[in-house]
Amino acid sequence: DADVTQTPRNRITKTGKRIMLECSQTKGHDRMYWYRQDPGLGLRLIYYSFDVKDINKGEISDGYSVSRQAQAKFSLSLESAIPNQTALYFCATSDYDGETQYFGPGTRLLVL
Amino acid sequence: EDQVTQSPEALRLQEGESSSLNCSYTVSGLRGLFWYRQDPGKGPEFLFTLYSAGEEKEKERLKATLTKKESFLHITAPKPEDSATYLCAVVGGGSNYKLTFGKGTLLTVNP
Repeated sequence: DADVTQTPRNRITKTGKRIMLECSQTKGHDRMYWYRQDPGLGLRLIYYSFDVKDINKGEISDGYSVSRQAQAKFSLSLESAIPNQTALYFCATSDYDGETQYFGPGTRLLVL
Repeated sequence: EDQVTQSPEALRLQEGESSSLNCSYTVSGLRGLFWYRQDPGKGPEFLFTLYSAGEEKEKERLKATLTKKESFLHITAPKPEDSATYLCAVVGGGSNYKLTFGKGTLLTVNP
């Protein structure tokens, strides 16, 4: 089984809808991250969490929120989806030293 | 602000034709430089971490090197299965362990 899993893998939604992307990990890592990837822009950090009680904004957090339900679970929500949130979304985890990050398989989101 | 620039954007090689990918970085107090491989539609796969100038790491046909301003990913006698996008990222001293990524180099190896 994969160490970092994401659900759903693909999602199509309409403008204005609220959606949630989920991430689970079995690596036992404390730190978890959400990124989005757009062609020509690379990977950009949305939110990160160093433990269950610690949530931090990344460089592009507007329009997103997160919830750290447990050490192993970190969810990303789009409160009211808009077309420019169409992207590939990745969850990642790292150990306490925060260095090497391990990525999930990604969620491809299309907002119509 | 940490910055990472990768070149070239795309590279096409023949099988067996060795080459190098470049990652130039600007960071305040480098804590680590990372190389990842990403296949289409998949998550980045960790390859190497380099911590200080002069350090080198190898894995199969790949070797990563680091200077104070840039890193190279050398690919020796590549095979078609090495085709992927290679991403470089840095963590700086003031970044609270946040990765800053380059835009990647798309490598295509033709048989």
